[in-house]
Amino acid sequence: QKEVEQNSGPLSVPEGAIASLNCTYSDRGSQSFFWYRQYSGKSPELIMSIYSNGDKEDGRFTAQLNKASQYVSLLIRDSQPSDSATYLCAVRGDNYGQNFVFGPGTRLSVLP
Amino acid sequence: DVKVTQSSRYLVKRTGEKVFLECVQDMDHENMFWYRQDPGLGLRLIYFSYDVKMKEKGDIPEGYSVSREKKERFSLILESASTNQTSMYLCASSTSAVQTQYFGPGTRLLVL
Repeated sequence: QKEVEQNSGPLSVPEGAIASLNCTYSDRGSQSFFWYRQYSGKSPELIMSIYSNGDKEDGRFTAQLNKASQYVSLLIRDSQPSDSATYLCAVRGDNYGQNFVFGPGTRLSVLP
Repeated sequence: DVKVTQSSRYLVKRTGEKVFLECVQDMDHENMFWYRQDPGLGLRLIYFSYDVKMKEKGDIPEGYSVSREKKERFSLILESASTNQTSMYLCASSTSAVQTQYFGPGTRLLVL
């Protein structure tokens, strides 16, 4: 059973703080990891992808991958109210073909 | 920029009607996907396609069929719509090389 788990939230952080979103996955063969942001009523949009252990930074966003512990996280620095959305973790493994397994998403609320 | 479009943003149908949802991508992507998204259940894969005329069942194919006659177009068909198919339907596409899935804007379907 391929599973991707996230805390559903809501996660509330004050404006300017660091928001930390976590995701764990069950399949050790997973190779590719993605974070999507989804505003209410809209479709998911890609924020970051990460393929190897360690950190990957893009602007205010940092993705962290630890394959040994089977978790991937997303840090959002200097959080803004416009970051308020649901964040979906997606995982692709060797046995998935081109398919992703999506987590249920974490709802983030950034308070002004 | 990758562009994935869906034929309708909102659709209202009656129980028993045949429903066609169309998705078009303009980036020559090999892979196309249909998901539905429901509160509390996350994104669930209905069908996907790796190539023209190829299709594979996802996690919840019952009550749906698909058609891919051209590379850029992937259609989802509800043969006889039922109220439990009321949902947000999302189409996505990707290349085999890059793997990242890009989503269309979604179709919110209401079956009465």
